[in-house]
This record gives sequence, structure tokens and C-alpha cells, in this order.
Amino acid sequence: DAGITQSPRHKVTETGTPVTLRCHQTENHRYMYWYRQDPGHGLRLIHYSYGVKDTDKGEVSDGYSVSRSKTEDFLLTLESATSSQTSVYFCATRSGSGANVLTFGAGSRLTVL
Amino acid sequence: DQQVKQNSPSLSVQEGRISILNCDYTNSMFDYFLWYKKYPAEGPTFLISISSIKDKNEDGRFTVFLNKSAKHLSLHIVPSQPGDSAVYFCAAHTGNQFYFGTGTSLTVIP
Repeated sequence: DAGITQSPRHKVTETGTPVTLRCHQTENHRYMYWYRQDPGHGLRLIHYSYGVKDTDKGEVSDGYSVSRSKTEDFLLTLESATSSQTSVYFCATRSGSGANVLTFGAGSRLTVL
Repeated sequence: DQQVKQNSPSLSVQEGRISILNCDYTNSMFDYFLWYKKYPAEGPTFLISISSIKDKNEDGRFTVFLNKSAKHLSLHIVPSQPGDSAVYFCAAHTGNQFYFGTGTSLTVIP
């Protein structure tokens, strides 16, 4: 599975606190993505990266920021968590622009109280 | 404005019968379509895909059909097995982005 590791796998936090989720991959894939999964909404793209320091917004980017300082790591930050950001977050990778398949990590479940 | 829609939240099928999962899309720029399978507490796993220039792709028990004029995609599973019970997501690709449907929960009854 492209060696994708997400951390933490589970986190409970309080409204207003900052949260960072980490995605680490060992396959040297160029593209990395952050999705959130919510009932009735499926998987929605938050942000993605097409290279080191190259990122772009997805459908639901408000309240989230990302950083990619190394090929293998893609960080998702919630600057001030809200209850609406309670969700399961999935990281995914793909090897290049000609590769049309995403490979997903196991997910990070975030609860904001 | 969901660009990829799965209008059936759930589907139940007897073991051995055919399961048909449906997906509709609105964006004519989608050039590649995929189906993913997801078990609880795991990430989605890739199942099968189809390019927009084709109308059918088959892989073992799984076949995906694409009707571009209707903007409709379907996944056929024959024969269905209890281990196929999972949530199935269809997805569509354009540019650097992949858009997903809301999922269909398939239950295969032994």
C-alpha cells in the first residue's frame, strides 16, 4: 500500500486547540492528498500536493492548512479545531501525473469536543 | 454540488447473485473512473478502473461499465460473496484531483 503511515490514528481534542495530522510515505510518490470522510458526504478533498512545497486547495479547504517540506511527509493542520472538523481523515498518494490510482492510508479519527 | 453521485446508500444481495452498484457524474472533463472498496476502520482500497475512452473493463468477478452519453458508471460483481460486504465508492479523475461519491454499503447475505 505504498507504505503510507498516518499518525495519530486516533485523537480527541477540544474546540480551539491546534491539531496536526501526519502522513508519511516510503514510495517516493510525487502526489499526496488529504481527504475527510463524513456520513452522507463520502470522501471530500481538503488539500493536495504535487511536489515539495507545492500544494493546492480541494473542495473543503477552509479551516485547514498543509505543508510538505519533504517528499515523504505531508502534514495537515487545523489551526483552531471546531466540532465540524470531527471526522475521519485519509491520506492518499499517487506516483505521478500519469498514474490514475490513489493509494490510501488507514485513516486518522479526530474527535473535537 | 456533488460532481459524483451514488444514489443508493445501501444494497443487499444474496450470495451467488449479481450485485450492481451505480454511479452518476456531471463533469464531462472526467477522464478516468475508479471503484474503491472500504471495510470499517480501514482505508479505501482500489478495486477496478476504466478510462473514459472505453466502455467496459473486466477483472475476475468485477466488471465496470461506462456510459458516457448518460454520464453513468456501474460496477457488476458476479457472483457475489459474503466477503464482498463493504462500502463501495466510485471516483472520477480530472487534472490532479479525484472526486468521490457518497458510497454504497453492500451486504451479501449467505
